[in-house]
Amino acid sequence: DGGITQSPKYLFRKEGQNVTLSCEQNLNHDAMYWYRQDPGQGLRLIYYSQIVNDFQKGDIAEGYSVSREKKESFPLTVTSAQKNPTAFYLCASRNRGNEKLFFGSGTQLSVL
Amino acid sequence: SQQGEEDPQALSIQEGENATMNCSYKTSINNLQWYRQNSGRGLVHLILIRSNEREKHSGRLRVTLDTSKKSSSLLITASRAADTASYFCATDDSSGGSNYKLTFGKGTLLTVNP
Repeated sequence: DGGITQSPKYLFRKEGQNVTLSCEQNLNHDAMYWYRQDPGQGLRLIYYSQIVNDFQKGDIAEGYSVSREKKESFPLTVTSAQKNPTAFYLCASRNRGNEKLFFGSGTQLSVL
Repeated sequence: SQQGEEDPQALSIQEGENATMNCSYKTSINNLQWYRQNSGRGLVHLILIRSNEREKHSGRLRVTLDTSKKSSSLLITASRAADTASYFCATDDSSGGSNYKLTFGKGTLLTVNP
């Protein structure tokens, strides 16, 4: 099946720890996006990448880092600098020339 | 910053009734899209309307766009319990090309009671 796979579905972070959320797509899409969703606040853009080896900061990039070494993969690292990481994280992708986004099923990150 | 703002925040109706959700935005856009999210899941694209279009239909969905008022509405006709979900509008106000990104609103939670 073609689609976007996010893993794990649930993740727990200890204080001071970095954690990495995985996002893999087999849709051959060029662009990939990371959004954070908090209750009542909708989706906010963290980072996005339009092409391999290139990415841009979104509205709330502080405390996060990404890499785009392969077209199909766009992992997100939540660093210890992110003081309020508890949220639902959504990864999305888009094909060049198509405006709509395809989303993964999300990762719920919680702090222990 | 948030571009789209949905109204109402929550809407509860009976099965068979129509549901209308509104979205307002602040800057000029290239297109506006509506997405649906079931609880704890990812978003699913519903419909896209371009800035030069005024109305679009897809099955039981009707979307309108008023660029002079910077607003859009999503109408779901003959609602079903399975339509229960959160609905988000998203705007593309980028210059296009390499800077394409969508800005999402806070969403409307629709509950359809059987």
